Amino acid sequence: DTGVSQDPRHKITKRGQNVTFRCDPISEHNRLYWYRQTLGQGPEFLTYFQNEAQLEKSRLLSDRFSAERPKGSFSTLEIQRTEQGDSAMYLCASSFIAGGTYEQYFGPGTRLTVT
Amino acid sequence: DQQVKQNSPSLSVQEGRISILNCDYTNSMFDYFLWYKKYPAEGPTFLISISSIKDKNEDGRFTVFLNKSAKHLSLHIVPSQPGDSAVYFCAASARGQNDYKLSFGAGTTVTVRA
Repeated sequence: DTGVSQDPRHKITKRGQNVTFRCDPISEHNRLYWYRQTLGQGPEFLTYFQNEAQLEKSRLLSDRFSAERPKGSFSTLEIQRTEQGDSAMYLCASSFIAGGTYEQYFGPGTRLTVT
Repeated sequence: DQQVKQNSPSLSVQEGRISILNCDYTNSMFDYFLWYKKYPAEGPTFLISISSIKDKNEDGRFTVFLNKSAKHLSLHIVPSQPGDSAVYFCAASARGQNDYKLSFGAGTTVTVRA
């Protein structure tokens, strides 16, 4: 297992277009998280899944954002009608909640630029 | 509101010396703390963590200290090496509340001078 992977690594889109990002977590991990990071800030929580269930969404996640994790494996994050304020690094992380280990392992991120 | 704060945006240290990074938090429900390191164009990499039942955790050159009464933690890197030059993020979660999402500080950029 090579860790958390994300695709694409970079995405440039025009305002108003829809974009979809994919995250493949570490295979045995049951929790998957999405964060967003803007320049000069730390990552901010967006949403997380335990297996296929989406258990929490941040108020940062407007109606234009939707996330899925079918079959509890990979996850997708879709942004509809993108705005310039959506430009950020979108990070995915996974963890295995059991046995006292709670660290989240991050992927390389998808950098979104909305023009 | 920013529940985790790293008040020093940058730190410059000479190779071989100690690097000390500081972090303060405001949420008294936080009971698990982590440090991550981030290189440009990569995702954050987990470094070390500490539970609120401890006041110190050590892993090789990295030691994290937790002062619960002051709501303060620090990361010590001894000795500092050029490869340690990166952005370091402090993060916290409230495991006891079954809340595992991480709240991050804004990061401290460490530069290790040869």
